[in-house]
Amino acid sequence: GAVVSQHPSRVICKSGTSVKIECRSLDFQATTMFWYRQFPKKSLMLMATSNEGSKATYEQGVEKDKFLINHASLTLSTLTVTSAHPEDSSFYICSARRSEGLETQYFGPGTRLLVL
Amino acid sequence: QKEVEQNSGPLSVPEGAIASLNCTYSDRVSQSFFWYRQYSGKSPELIMSIYSNGDKEDGRFTAQLNKASQYVSLLIRDSQPSDSATYLCAVGGGSARQLTFGSGTQLTVLP
Repeated sequence: GAVVSQHPSRVICKSGTSVKIECRSLDFQATTMFWYRQFPKKSLMLMATSNEGSKATYEQGVEKDKFLINHASLTLSTLTVTSAHPEDSSFYICSARRSEGLETQYFGPGTRLLVL
Repeated sequence: QKEVEQNSGPLSVPEGAIASLNCTYSDRVSQSFFWYRQYSGKSPELIMSIYSNGDKEDGRFTAQLNKASQYVSLLIRDSQPSDSATYLCAVGGGSARQLTFGSGTQLTVLP
């Protein structure tokens, strides 16, 4: 299989706090992981591409100092939303691509963030 | 700028019918094509991948690819109410090895 987990599944926090979301590939190694966000009834928006052992590549318009990404191992990437504000409330989804070959992405179950 | 276009729907079909979902893409060098299913409030789930022209069948699902026309489709036979979801088309290829997603087609299968 190709199982990707995310933790936490749901988080509620106060404005100004930071929130860390973990993404793990459970049964395969993932050189590359991707972070998306999705607003209700909208399409997936790629935020950044996370490569193990190197800096993440952010999409245009995504603040790298606000959305900190660390990919310290072949099975773990983290996204930290710093100084969260209500407009950061969204559904954050990670995906992972196997280290070898193909471009297939396997998605985690997502993290629903609500900033009060 | 790579683009992947899908009819947003909603598409409604009666139970037992064939649902046909379509997708066009702009980048001619695209090499890999995927269909994901996303239930409301959930993350996308991979249904099919296809890499060469023609049809690929997996159970009730058939993916069809025509690179000359830059067109990929998904057929769902014997549609069930549990197939009701948003279906995302994704296209890969190029040095970035990212996937470009369409905005999705919302499918409703009526019992």
